[in-house]
Amino acid sequence: ETGVTQTPRHLVMGMTNKKSLKCEQHLGHNAMYWYKQSAKKPLELMFVYNFKEQTENNSVPSRFSPECPNSSHLFLHLHTLQPEDSALYLCASSQEGGRAAGELFFGEGSRLTVL
Amino acid sequence: DAKTTQPPSMDCAEGRAANLPCNHSTISGNEYVYWYRQIHSQGPQYIIHGLKNNETNEMASLIITEDRKSSTLILPHATLRDTAVYYCIVSNQGAQKLVFGQGTRLTINP
Repeated sequence: ETGVTQTPRHLVMGMTNKKSLKCEQHLGHNAMYWYKQSAKKPLELMFVYNFKEQTENNSVPSRFSPECPNSSHLFLHLHTLQPEDSALYLCASSQEGGRAAGELFFGEGSRLTVL
Repeated sequence: DAKTTQPPSMDCAEGRAANLPCNHSTISGNEYVYWYRQIHSQGPQYIIHGLKNNETNEMASLIITEDRKSSTLILPHATLRDTAVYYCIVSNQGAQKLVFGQGTRLTINP
């Protein structure tokens, strides 16, 4: 148990569907992240939020739409995805500033399959 | 633009020390060295990080060379549960810009 909870753990969707991934952190952290991990590829940073404000968008296609309503919750809204978007989507949080900076806490991930 | 180089795989016997090397010859003065690991089907887990002094915690020890161009992560008494992919990362922006490479796949054998 890392203190970061992701739901759903598994999701199958068609290319015309709209779905959302949810992440909640119970650690009181001030930054949250979305990473993508495709098969045989390294983790790719997608988005970074600091104090609810998006500070990094790593050239992610607009069919992925993040939302951060508060410092504890992060969503990834998905629409008109492609089969190559099938991957493990990982949420993480951190407390930036001070000695703990750089220590990411990851959730278990949401495994997405796009048909 | 790879900042670190790690062997793709390593094996270690259970109960022995596992020593995982990492080269970061272009590291700059304000960049930290971070180590994470990812056990199959789980999210990555933070292990340790350091700037220039050696560091130790309950999970591992981090040895950084004096010129800071390489480091070694040491798991003192490896168990089967330490089988995972280990990532060495350098960054000067905390967690904001951690770039994960391919890592080293460590297999602990009984």
